[in-house]
Amino acid sequence: DADVTQTPRNRITKTGKRIMLECSQTKGHDRMYWYRQDPGLGLRLIYYSFDVKDINKGEISDGYSVSRQAQAKFSLSLESAIPNQTALYFCATSAGARGLDEQFFGPGTRLTVL
Amino acid sequence: AQSVTQLDSQVPVFEEAPVELRCNYSSSVSVYLFWYVQYPNQGLQLLLKYLSGSTLVKSINGFEAEFNKSQTSFHLRKPSVHISDTAEYFCAVSDRDTGGFKTIFGAGTRLFVKA
Repeated sequence: DADVTQTPRNRITKTGKRIMLECSQTKGHDRMYWYRQDPGLGLRLIYYSFDVKDINKGEISDGYSVSRQAQAKFSLSLESAIPNQTALYFCATSAGARGLDEQFFGPGTRLTVL
Repeated sequence: AQSVTQLDSQVPVFEEAPVELRCNYSSSVSVYLFWYVQYPNQGLQLLLKYLSGSTLVKSINGFEAEFNKSQTSFHLRKPSVHISDTAEYFCAVSDRDTGGFKTIFGAGTRLFVKA
């Protein structure tokens, strides 16, 4: 079984709808991240969490919110989706106390907002 | 503020030819450097990393990268590529921020290996 799973894998929604992307991990890592990937822009950090009580905004958090329900679960919400949020979204985890360790990525969720 | 520049968005190369994927970074503090690879329809996975020590780091599948502090570069090389190396490659850099470390990714270089 995959160590980092994301649901759904694909989602098509309409402008204005609320949508939640979920991430679960079995690696026992404290740190979790949400990124979006756009062609030519690489990965950009949306939110990150160093433990259940510590959530931080990344470089592009506007229009997004997150919830760290447990060490193993980190959800990303779009309260009112808009077309420019169409992208590939990745969840990632890492173990390092100082963030030097590699990040482990989920398979991604392809989101299309019409 | 840190940033990462991958100088080539696409690199086509013939099988068994050498390849270099270029990466330059900017940061005012000590950095830690990574190369990740993304195969089609998959998430990213770590290829190799430089944290300290020897400036030349190697992966298990024949890639290597050299940290050059004076040129602020971390170019990725392979002397002979295979079809299976076709993927997108991301250079990434981490340094210290007020809350800990976070990683900045480059825009990616798509390597396309032709038969």
